[in-house]
Amino acid sequence: DAGVIQSPRHEVTEMGQEVTLRCKPISGHNSLFWYRQTMMRGLELLIYFNNNVPIDDSGMPEDRFSAKMPNASFSTLKIQPSEPRDSAVYFCASSFVELIQGTETQYFGPGTRLLVL
Amino acid sequence: RKEVEQDPGPFNVPEGATVAFNCTYSNSASQSFFWYRQDCRKEPKLLMSVYSSGNEDGRFTAQLNRASQYISLLIRDSKLSDSATYLCVVNIGSYDKVIFGPGTSLSVIP
Repeated sequence: DAGVIQSPRHEVTEMGQEVTLRCKPISGHNSLFWYRQTMMRGLELLIYFNNNVPIDDSGMPEDRFSAKMPNASFSTLKIQPSEPRDSAVYFCASSFVELIQGTETQYFGPGTRLLVL
Repeated sequence: RKEVEQDPGPFNVPEGATVAFNCTYSNSASQSFFWYRQDCRKEPKLLMSVYSSGNEDGRFTAQLNRASQYISLLIRDSKLSDSATYLCVVNIGSYDKVIFGPGTSLSVIP
C-alpha cells in the first residue's frame, strides 16, 4: 500500500513568492496533520483535520499560512507570501482514529524541504 | 515548562551497550504515549507505544510512570542501526492531537 505522499519533495523559492505544499494521506485514514520541523524548534504541529474538517489550527504561525482539505484524499498547505524564516521541512501525517480508542499511530510522509531565499 | 521534555544528548555509546532515554510531560490528563524514531533526513516512524504496565519489543523496553509524569525507553545490546533521534510523543487531551518532544540523539559507535 502507498504511504503518505507529499509533493514537491524539495522547493526553493524567493521571499515573497507563494508556496503550495501537497499531501495525499493513506487511503481510509480520517485524520491529517501538518507539521513543521526545524533544528531550533523541533517538530511543531501546525494544523490537523479530522474527517476533512480543521480541528485545531492554533499552531499555524500567522495569516500567511493556510491549509485546506477539500476531500479525504488531498490537502494543501499554502504560504503566501513566503519569508526566509519559513525555511524548514514540512511533514504531512495521517492516522485513523476511532474516538473510543483515542490517539493512534501517525504515519508520516517523506516531507517537503522548503528553502526561502 | 515545555509540554514534553527530553535530554537532547547526544548519546554516544559502543555497540552492545545498554542505553536509556527519559522523557517528562506536563499534562497530567495525557492518556497516550509513544516513542518514535527519526533517521537523519527522514520522516519520524513509530517505534512503539507505551502502555501503563510497561511493554517490551525485542531489545526495546518502554516504561510509564504516571505519578511522576515520566516515560523511559531502554535499548539493550545497541546496534549500529539504532543510531537515530528518538522522539517522545504524548497526547494532550483531544483524541488525536499529540506533542512531539525535541528528541534525543543516539550514535552507536563500532
